[in-house]
Amino acid sequence: GAVVSQHPSWVICKSGTSVKIECRSLDFQATTMFWYRQFPKQSLMLMATSNEGSKATYEQGVEKDKFLINHASLTLSTLTVTSAHPEDSSFYICSAGDRVLQPQHFGDGTRLSIL
Amino acid sequence: SQQGEEDPQALSIQEGENATMNCSYKTSINNLQWYRQNSGRGLVHLILIRSNEREKHSGRLRVTLDTSKKSSSLLITASRAADTASYFCATGGTSGNTPLVFGKGTRLSVIA
Repeated sequence: GAVVSQHPSWVICKSGTSVKIECRSLDFQATTMFWYRQFPKQSLMLMATSNEGSKATYEQGVEKDKFLINHASLTLSTLTVTSAHPEDSSFYICSAGDRVLQPQHFGDGTRLSIL
Repeated sequence: SQQGEEDPQALSIQEGENATMNCSYKTSINNLQWYRQNSGRGLVHLILIRSNEREKHSGRLRVTLDTSKKSSSLLITASRAADTASYFCATGGTSGNTPLVFGKGTRLSVIA
């Protein structure tokens, strides 16, 4: 089945650091990737939709300058949390799909802890 | 935004018992999906039911959909300790390149 790899799985860093998270589709071409954020014991909230070769579409309330998304190829999307602060600490999950692939497939998530 | 509510928020049962989780949604849908999330992990797709289907089975899973009530249920029969996880319903995925909207989830604990 389709596999999505997300890296790193866990990051701990100091406040002010920028952190890059990668999401790769390993055995299919993902025209679209999605980035979600999840707080403890809560559901997933969509942050942005990333289409290959174009600018990401951000959900209301998500700062695009804070959460930089790049989808330069059909197999890789990156989320960079710039100048991270403790309130950015969360679980970030990506998913990937295309017009045909249903359902979407999820990465294993990245736990980000900002000290 | 979240599509709706799931209940119960938490459920604790003994191994071998059945677990039923419910999901309600607000808008019309093309399909509804159920996902499982083990603690600290990503989501695993369980089952997709289309709007013109009323019931679907997959192994020990049974999903029902009532579009008139905008609700769905997930039944896990003969539960096992390994079924302990959070379960989410999701709508909005009309194709692989449309985003999903998740319910709040049910945390299931199966006690051996």
